Amino acid sequence: ETGVTQSPTHLIKTRGQQVTLRCSSQSGHNTVSWYQQALGQGPQFIFQYYREEENGRGNFPPRFSGLQFPNYSSELNVNALELDDSALYLCASSLRRGEDSPLHFGNGTRLTVT
Amino acid sequence: GDSVTQMEGPVTLSEEAFLTINCTYTATGYPSLFWYVQYPGEGLQLLLKATKADDKGSNKGFEATYRKETTSFHLEKGSVQVSDSAVYFCALRGSGGYNKLIFGAGTRLAVHP
Repeated sequence: ETGVTQSPTHLIKTRGQQVTLRCSSQSGHNTVSWYQQALGQGPQFIFQYYREEENGRGNFPPRFSGLQFPNYSSELNVNALELDDSALYLCASSLRRGEDSPLHFGNGTRLTVT
Repeated sequence: GDSVTQMEGPVTLSEEAFLTINCTYTATGYPSLFWYVQYPGEGLQLLLKATKADDKGSNKGFEATYRKETTSFHLEKGSVQVSDSAVYFCALRGSGGYNKLIFGAGTRLAVHP
């Protein structure tokens, strides 16, 4: 069984640029959520996708957007990068979107904005 | 809004010592509670969970009991090993039908031989 995989593992961008992060969910999982983990802090929920639609969002501005594809893989897009966007971005998939479905996390993408 | 507070680290222990990491929460309704562990360079792994009051979650020698009266979910282990060195996160998931987890800031544990 393949777990959650994210790419790239590391990325360096300049302020004002745009970035796309990718996530392949665990086999059979139809729900994907994204989290931002700043250095020394706990992860913060960005949004969740279920069957290709966003169905939950945290306190992040619209320049954070996403997609989910028919094979349940997902992208996180961030426009107009700011220095504070530097963080570890974690993707998590689950078998379904219910409260009893455990989340399986990938190893994350480390984004540095200079 | 919902929140999680956990004790600040780092926690430094000798091998075979007893571990407690405190976690308290604020939430409406009846949240599910979790402990996740993060090893260096890796994502989060679910360590244990509890979904209702008085439930005890356990895994790999770690335990935590859902205490609604004190809104707490403290993590304990009777005898830590060097391999337990990691960052531990307490988290809650409220109602709402989607998988939003609210995490504490994390507690770094360092175990020395």
